[in-house]
Amino acid sequence: NAGVTQTPKFRVLKTGQSMTLLCAQDMNHEYMYWYRQDPGMGLRLIHYSVGEGTTAKGEVPDGYNVSRLKKQNFLLGLESAAPSQTSVYFCASSSSRQGPNTEAFFGQGTRLTVV
Amino acid sequence: AQTVTQSQPEMSVQEAETVTLSCTYDTSESDYYLFWYKQPPSRQMILVIRQEAYKQQNATENRFSVNFQKAAKSFSLKISDSQLGDAAMYFCAYKEKSSGDKLTFGTGTRLAVRP
Repeated sequence: NAGVTQTPKFRVLKTGQSMTLLCAQDMNHEYMYWYRQDPGMGLRLIHYSVGEGTTAKGEVPDGYNVSRLKKQNFLLGLESAAPSQTSVYFCASSSSRQGPNTEAFFGQGTRLTVV
Repeated sequence: AQTVTQSQPEMSVQEAETVTLSCTYDTSESDYYLFWYKQPPSRQMILVIRQEAYKQQNATENRFSVNFQKAAKSFSLKISDSQLGDAAMYFCAYKEKSSGDKLTFGTGTRLAVRP
């Protein structure tokens, strides 16, 4: 029962460095999401995907890129990290737009610090 | 754009007592889903309860129940017989049915449970 798995769980970057966060789900979900969580701001949507090969911008997409080459994987990239990107990042997936199983399942989060 | 508001940044409850967490939302849609998620110190996001807007009956899951007031756009969570393990951040979330690609979160309420 892996569900949604994020790697890595912790990372420290220097300003200007790049990195990729990997999200993998084994539930055959169509929809996948990347959120960032900051104190007092809840979870804000960065990018999302409604199926393999598709991506779309969320609420706070600047400074991030994503790819969904395989249905089970959703990658979040930071090309040139900035201290403002220090946050906890969550990946989530859901099965459908409607129906009884519409809730999102979340990974355990990645704590990223940019110094 | 849909917005979700949680006006109580922090709440506290005595063990075994009842507490209600507030959530309001703004939408022009008539059919949608509402969720409460729990985030304990482990960071894992856990679905607590789900409500479908077209259903009049308030959802209930064991000690957790909601008071869904569609006209007032209010979706409060009641926790009965509070337990120490209920201490966590609680997030209210909204998802449209017609174009339900995105899950929109409130800013969260931190619940403390006093022994």
